[in-house]
Amino acid sequence: NAGVMQNPRHLVRRRGQEARLRCSPMKGHSHVYWYRQLPEEGLKFMVYLQKENIIDESGMPKERFSAEFPKEGPSILRIQQVVRGDSAAYFCASSPAAGARQPQHFGDGTRLSIL
Amino acid sequence: DQQVKQNSPSLSVQEGRISILNCDYTNSMFDYFLWYKKYPAEGPTFLISISSIKDKNEDGRFTVFLNKSAKHLSLHIVPSQPGDSAVYFCAASGSSASKIIFGSGTRLSIRP
Repeated sequence: NAGVMQNPRHLVRRRGQEARLRCSPMKGHSHVYWYRQLPEEGLKFMVYLQKENIIDESGMPKERFSAEFPKEGPSILRIQQVVRGDSAAYFCASSPAAGARQPQHFGDGTRLSIL
Repeated sequence: DQQVKQNSPSLSVQEGRISILNCDYTNSMFDYFLWYKKYPAEGPTFLISISSIKDKNEDGRFTVFLNKSAKHLSLHIVPSQPGDSAVYFCAASGSSASKIIFGSGTRLSIRP
């Protein structure tokens, strides 16, 4: 499967714990985007990264959320001290170059549930 | 602040007929528009796009129309097939941005 891979598919955490969501982009793609989808809503942009650099984090909450895309390995979205409101589906997308005209290919998401 | 709006949460269409999904936007800086299709428990898949320099783009059974003056676009699917049942997201972007702004989606059901 050469598509965008996200893991885990489902993640359950208790309030106050940390959640780490991983995303491996499609082969040859160096641009990664994270989106969050709350129930019955559309996808909301969170952050855009290119290898080792955060390009646009205008959609990231100011606290508890961070993202990285190291030179080697997957992109990681990290949520510290999770709260019930963090329960959502988190989608990662990748593209081969910058710009919205490069279609973004999405993974199947990580469904995060906070107990 | 919803910059991309899909005012119909759901739509039911008979198989073989035309499905028309509508979308409105408020940001005049948007110049590229996309439609994504999403099945349950899967990620969105790109369907079709249109640049603001055009008013129509066609790909097989799918056609997107753009009315810039009304800040409105629509997706036409004809003929509708059972496999078209899914949630359709309208999305938009500005030329200088890579991020995509999504609408809240329309759930399309194709009935036999």
